[in-house]
Amino acid sequence: KNQVEQSPQSLIILEGKNCTLQCNYTVSPFSNLRWYKQDTGRGPVSLTIMTFSENTKSNGRYTATLDADTKQSSLHITASQLSDSASYICVVSLSGTYKYIFGTGTRLKVLA
Amino acid sequence: DTGVSQDPRHKITKRGQNVTFRCDPISEHNRLYWYRQTLGQGPEFLTYFQNEAQLEKSRLLSDRFSAERPKGSFSTLEIQRTEQGDSAMYLCASSILARRAGDTQYFGPGTRLTVL
Repeated sequence: KNQVEQSPQSLIILEGKNCTLQCNYTVSPFSNLRWYKQDTGRGPVSLTIMTFSENTKSNGRYTATLDADTKQSSLHITASQLSDSASYICVVSLSGTYKYIFGTGTRLKVLA
Repeated sequence: DTGVSQDPRHKITKRGQNVTFRCDPISEHNRLYWYRQTLGQGPEFLTYFQNEAQLEKSRLLSDRFSAERPKGSFSTLEIQRTEQGDSAMYLCASSILARRAGDTQYFGPGTRLTVL
């Protein structure tokens, strides 16, 4: 079954600290993996997109890594800010289809 | 603001009523997606259009659901005989195919449906 699992489910950190979110997937055949940020009550916004040949991709303070062999990805947030409080969703696309499999997200809360 | 708009933003209806949502994608985007998202879950794929053609539908899209994109621009999602289980956020996303890494989807703000 094609699934995307994320951990932790929720996370609370202090402003200025770093954190790493995890994504494991069983989607096959795999096309690409994306990380989205979703603020409460709004649609998701794309942070990074990686194909199977890419190991890392950065977008400002966000750095995503991908290990296509172990089917794992991580999103590292550096020097967190209050505005980073949101859900972070890992999405894997199924090669040969138009389907995107979404994880349930990690809810991050950054405290002052 | 991603450039994708959805209307209405909120809809409250009684069970058994029909509802219709509209999505206006970014103008040059030929791909359009509908998703459903319930609280604490990630979005679930409902259907996909390339231009005006509906190329893929999820099994989640029961006979009570229908989507159209008549001129390859805006799209509508209709739910007939709504049930309480239809209460969710309905998200629309649009994209244009990029050669290297696939398309980046731009999501609208969603329509939150509450069925009483």
